[in-house]
Order: sequence, then C-alpha cells, then structure tokens
Amino acid sequence: DQQVKQNSPSLSVQEGRISILNCDYTNSMFDYFLWYKKYPAEGPTFLISISSIKDKNEDGRFTVFLNKSAKHLSLHIVPSQPGDSAVYFCAASAQTGANNLFFGTGTRLTVIP
Amino acid sequence: ETGVTQSPTHLIKTRGQQVTLRCSSQSGHNTVSWYQQALGQGPQFIFQYYREEENGRGNFPPRFSGLQFPNYSSELNVNALELDDSALYLCASSTGGLAGAGGELFFGEGSRLTVL
Repeated sequence: DQQVKQNSPSLSVQEGRISILNCDYTNSMFDYFLWYKKYPAEGPTFLISISSIKDKNEDGRFTVFLNKSAKHLSLHIVPSQPGDSAVYFCAASAQTGANNLFFGTGTRLTVIP
Repeated sequence: ETGVTQSPTHLIKTRGQQVTLRCSSQSGHNTVSWYQQALGQGPQFIFQYYREEENGRGNFPPRFSGLQFPNYSSELNVNALELDDSALYLCASSTGGLAGAGGELFFGEGSRLTVL
C-alpha cells in the first residue's frame, strides 16, 4: 500500500521557467514532509522539508507548499536550471524527526537549456 | 568531513545465499538507517540502529538483520536470498538518535544487489 504517491513519473521544463512537482499522501498521521533529490549513481540528498504546522517553507529557489486538508504537497523550483535535472522524491514521516520515512516513487525532472 | 560510504557497490548472489552489506556513517552521526529501493520504486525503510540496537523496523521479515558497531558503522545482513531482494540498498546516517533528526538523512550511494 503506497502511502506517499507521486503520480507524475517525469516532467520536462524549459530553463528559467517554474517546475512544479506534486505529491499526495494517504496517512493522516504524517506530520513531517521532505523532498530529496537524487542524481544518477548518487544517494538521495535532502532538499527541503515542512512541518504540518506550516503551509509553506521557502529556501532560495525552492518552495514547498502543504495542503493538509487535501493531503497534498508540492515543490516549486523557480527559476529552473539544467543542474536541477534529477529524480525528486517526496517523503513523509509520522513523527517529527523520525527516521522511518515513507517515500514516493519519484519524479524525474528534466530542465531543458 | 567524510560522507556515508557503502560497500560493495555492486554484487551478484544466487537465490538462497546470504549477503552482508556495509556502511560507514558520516563523521559525528550516531544513527544509521537502511532502506531498500527496488527498481522504479522509492526507498523503503528496513530498520534503524542507534547505540548498537535496533530501534525501529519497517515491514521486512526477520531474515533481514543488522548490526551497529561502537564506531557507528553498520552492517545489513540478508539470509536466504530471494529474487525479489534484488534492489539498491541505501544506508543513511543522522544525528538524531531515537528522536530522529528532522528527517534529514545523509545517504550513501548504495549497494546494488542482484539475486539470480
């Protein structure tokens, strides 16, 4: 049973435009959400996170939005750069700070120069 | 600062065999988690070790076991390998111990296991 879902396996965006990656979850006990980025032959690297007490968190070009009522979060990248091309995983945990993360299946972002 | 390192990077085993995967945590990190990433899937939590004891486990059978050593390095052992065990095994370290670390895990590159 996939508790975290990323329904778009891939996304292509022109350099300089906005990339929007979406994620849905089913477990209402999730209270902490994260995005990880993965390049080929490397492990996932942490990108940005958000607690369920917030609806937005921003870090430079990256912003995560959380809609608890819809059980939906999204990652916005503005402006997109070719170096952002990677697989992005959405993850969630049921206890803030817990290492038991539930991951989505990932979205492959390609930023076209 | 040394990151998370895993060995071996690739290995091939046959069904029924046993395998040991190794992980050196990032300097200063006392907690190690292991994840299994099957092809086309996201990483799936196997278990976590803190102070040399398992303190969290995902939906994996007992033939998946682990160890953590005093220097915080860790091993993942899988007995009686099955074809479905073919996957990328990721080790992640953090400083959070039982309380976690805000979910900020530092992953290694992984060990790709193929079971024939």
